[in-house]
Parts: sequence; structure tokens; C-alpha cells
Amino acid sequence: AQSVAQPEDQVNVAEGNPLTVKCTYSVSGNPYLFWYVQYPNRGLQFLLKYITGDNLVKGSYGFEAEFNKSQTSFHLKKPSALVSDSALYFCAVRDGRDKIIFGKGTRLHILP
Amino acid sequence: DTAVSQTPKYLVTQMGNDKSIKCEQNLGHDTMYWYKQDSKKFLKIMFSYNNKELIINETVPNRFSPKSPDKAHLNLHINSLELGDSAVYFCASESVLGELFFGEGSRLTVL
Repeated sequence: AQSVAQPEDQVNVAEGNPLTVKCTYSVSGNPYLFWYVQYPNRGLQFLLKYITGDNLVKGSYGFEAEFNKSQTSFHLKKPSALVSDSALYFCAVRDGRDKIIFGKGTRLHILP
Repeated sequence: DTAVSQTPKYLVTQMGNDKSIKCEQNLGHDTMYWYKQDSKKFLKIMFSYNNKELIINETVPNRFSPKSPDKAHLNLHINSLELGDSAVYFCASESVLGELFFGEGSRLTVL
């Protein structure tokens, strides 16, 4: 069975600094990996995904994620954080045609 | 135009009552989901339908009954509500590329 772990409950970053939100996964086959963002009292919004190809995936709002097969990781990154990036971020994994499983979420807090 | 819309946005009800949440998507997707988000923000899949057919039932109590009259709609009916059912329920539809599009959520409070 697949699983996904987000080891940090909260990440604090100063505005303008680079940010990283960590995610590791476990699947039995080739992983389909996703990042979603949730703003307060809103539904989740898709940011980016990795299915195959280039290990560095670019997504919405300047975010990118790096797929690392040997470390089974898919960390979310952004070169320069904005206060408006403050939100709850979810990593998700799907194994083939199986269901999509979400991590517990990481709260990103960008300090002005 | 809202891609995935859920109604109602808020539900407050007494234990033992029955309630329904409706979901509609205008994206033309075949697959729709119900997720439950608890107070700690954990997201748990409940059901998945593909073109009106149930494909995932994630050991949800049978007080919860999804219904999909057509592939654009997936409703959730809950019987005999319990305190532990209080949560935010999200409907989502899935594109052919595997991306989920979520509704804004329906916050259920059981008193």
C-alpha cells in the first residue's frame, strides 16, 4: 500500500528567502506525485505533479518540486518566498490507478 | 463559473438527524470523490465514483451513502449523525491527467 509522509508540521521562512517543504513517499510501482495548497476556508488547489520525465517539475505560483527516486522524496521548493505563500501544503501520491493518498499537511508561514 | 460546487457550505444539526451534501462539476470529468477533513486537517478519502459507478469505498460506516445520478453529480447522504461526523467534507473531480479539482467544502457541525 502506498503512503506519503510530511515530516514537518510547520515551516517558517522569512519573506524573500528560499523555502522547502519536505515529502517522502512509499509506493509499490512507479509513483504519481502531487502537491496541493489549501488557503483558509478554501478547497485544495493543484500546484504541480510528477508522473515521468524530468526530475524537476515546475508548477503554479513559482513553485517547483524535485523528484528523487533513490531518496523516495518529492520536496516542494520556491526560490523566493512571498507572504501570500502562507498556507497549508499537501503532498499526495498515487500508485498506478489506485486511490490518491494525502500527507498530513505542512503549514507554511512566511514572515514579513 | 465554479468548476466544482458543493451545497450547502455550512450545516449545523443535532445528533441523530439525517443530512445531505450535494456536489456538481462542470468540467466533464468521469471520476469524482468525497474526502473528509478533520479538525487536524487530515484528509481522508471516503468514496470514489467513475461515471456513476462506485469504485472506492474506504471502509466508511454505512450511515454514509453516496449517490451519483450522473457523472456530473455526486451527492453524500448521512444518516443518524454522530458527534464524530463533524468535519469539512470536500468533493473533488479528477482530470484525465490525474489532477484533482476540489470544491470549497461543506462544514458539518453535529451538536
